[in-house]
Amino acid sequence: QSVLTHPPSVSAAPGQKVTISCYGSTSNIGNNYVSWYQQIPGTAPKLLIYDNNQRPAGIPDRFSGSKSGTSATLDITGLQTGDEADYYCGTWDSILNTAMFGGGTKVTVL
Amino acid sequence: QVQLMQSGAEVKKPGASVTVSCKASGYTFISYGIIWVRQAPGQGLEWLGWISAKNGDTYYGQKFQGRVSMTTDTSTSTAYLELRSLTSDDTAIYYCARSPAHLGWFDPWGQGTLVTVSS
Repeated sequence: QSVLTHPPSVSAAPGQKVTISCYGSTSNIGNNYVSWYQQIPGTAPKLLIYDNNQRPAGIPDRFSGSKSGTSATLDITGLQTGDEADYYCGTWDSILNTAMFGGGTKVTVL
Repeated sequence: QVQLMQSGAEVKKPGASVTVSCKASGYTFISYGIIWVRQAPGQGLEWLGWISAKNGDTYYGQKFQGRVSMTTDTSTSTAYLELRSLTSDDTAIYYCARSPAHLGWFDPWGQGTLVTVSS
């Protein structure tokens, strides 16, 4: 079981908004940057958000990230069928001295 | 563009070792590190470790200490992952990714290498 937790699945209709939360502790999310990754089935993960809220070039502004205390959030607005994927949060744990990922949240577009 | 190209699928017997390679292109190899992550069938992502391409410094996941080695060849911009004493639990897709630091973000990712451990 992952140290970082998020809901196993979320769903919404096209055009709607989904929010994925990632819960950790002071040794990981609380004191380190969070990144978010999208993994479409059968493909490699792709960076969506880094340093809590920064988007790499080419990532649409429909994807946004934030962090507060020991939790982080990924918002996806204007949901599209192409957004169906697994989403993972990632960060460093300063006590375990390891990078870690949440267990993944499956987003379904109804 | 920045790309990471990994070696092909491997089938190994329990107790054997496997080496996966990751060839980088499109950026200055020594300016970043490389991380290795694996994904067992139907499971999430698991971090194995990070290596600096500049000086070879490594961070290994505690779970893999003692049976993992990460190296780089700056002359060919290639990173290598060696995992020893394989068991069926090591059956997974192994990914490499570029990372600025051991605690940084990971982008882009290689296409993945399937390692199957079976007797």
